[in-house]
Amino acid sequence: EAQVTQNPRYLITVTGKKLTVTCSQNMNHEYMSWYRQDPGLGLRQIYYSMNVEVTDKGDVPEGYKVSRKEKRNFPLILESPSPNQTSLYFCASSRRQGGNHEQFFGPGTRLTVL
Amino acid sequence: EDQVTQSPEALRLQEGESSSLNCSYTVSGLRGLFWYRQDPGKGPEFLFTLYSAGEEKEKERLKATLTKKESFLHITAPKPEDSATYLCAVRATSGTYKYIFGTGTRLKVLA
Repeated sequence: EAQVTQNPRYLITVTGKKLTVTCSQNMNHEYMSWYRQDPGLGLRQIYYSMNVEVTDKGDVPEGYKVSRKEKRNFPLILESPSPNQTSLYFCASSRRQGGNHEQFFGPGTRLTVL
Repeated sequence: EDQVTQSPEALRLQEGESSSLNCSYTVSGLRGLFWYRQDPGKGPEFLFTLYSAGEEKEKERLKATLTKKESFLHITAPKPEDSATYLCAVRATSGTYKYIFGTGTRLKVLA
């Protein structure tokens, strides 16, 4: 089954404790992206990657890091989480060329930073 | 600055009562306008991509249209299962593969 998986699905942590949210896709997609979703603000893009070893900032990259060492994986790293990073996070992937550029989204990771 | 605005924020319809959702956008150069559906607690699910003014796409009770300034998602004779949040997004030339989403329209269809 074609899918994007995220782990963990729920996480409660404390300020300053480094964490990683994993994202993996099995569709051989070149493009992957991370978003956060907050009430009243909608989905905002954090980082995206057009291929292995190629990443770029979205609209809200501050406080986040990403890496793309393999095509299927795109982890999101919070080196020193703060309460304002409490949010619902989505990973997405799509083909880079051809088709209708639809993004496939993961199920989401709900993060609470105390 | 690239921007996407959706209206209304929320919409309640009776089953069978057709209506339209609006997505207005300002971008430096449109590389695609996208509609997604999001159910509570789930990730967005793709509906349509539109690339140029005048283009239309249809799927069951949904029809998306595009002009140079806005897109409409028309819902014909909706059913309760159409209840969801509908998201609009654009990909702009200035941002390469950057996507900008609107805040969505929460649709509730009453039986």
